[in-house]
Amino acid sequence: EDQVTQSPEALRLQEGESSSLNCSYTVSGLRGLFWYRQDPGKGPEFLFTLYSAGEEKEKERLKATLTKKESFLHITAPKPEDSATYLCAARRAGSARQLTFGSGTQLTVLP
Amino acid sequence: EAEVAQSPRYKITEKSQAVAFWCDPISGHATLYWYRQILGQGPELLVQFQDESVVDDSQLPKDRFSAERLKGVDSTLKIQPAELGDSAMYLCASSPGGVTEAFFGQGTRLTVV
Repeated sequence: EDQVTQSPEALRLQEGESSSLNCSYTVSGLRGLFWYRQDPGKGPEFLFTLYSAGEEKEKERLKATLTKKESFLHITAPKPEDSATYLCAARRAGSARQLTFGSGTQLTVLP
Repeated sequence: EAEVAQSPRYKITEKSQAVAFWCDPISGHATLYWYRQILGQGPELLVQFQDESVVDDSQLPKDRFSAERLKGVDSTLKIQPAELGDSAMYLCASSPGGVTEAFFGQGTRLTVV
């Protein structure tokens, strides 16, 4: 059974304090690892797609990396507006190519 | 910028009543998903369409939930009868297909009382 596990469940940072969020996955034949940001009461907003181990993507203060078993979302010098829940999802191989989500990391950045 | 449209944004219904949600995906997107998200958890797939065909509904409670995408464009998710445990955010997403990313709508927040 496909599993996506995110840690920590919650993270509080001071503004400017860099950190990383973890997403470990057990998926049959990975066909993409996706990161989303979700604000309270809204749908997830797409951030990054990673397809192969060693791949990296960057956007402003965020950088996503991928290994064969996990992905990291690095946040450099975060600001209060980066506060949100960050979700990762893994897409498996196969005819339906299901997308399985983790439970998310709730990030709070304090001014 | 193209968006996935969902309506209504909020719905309050009484237990045992019927409720329906509508989704209009991004134009040209062949794959459409319905997810349910309980507060504090990640989205859980209910049903996935490829054009008008269901490709995965293994987690859909078929005794009370139904979904259709008749012309391969917009989609409706129905619950009948609603139960208290159905209170959640119902999210629709679409993707061009294959292994590309999925784009989500703003969701429908359902409260069953």
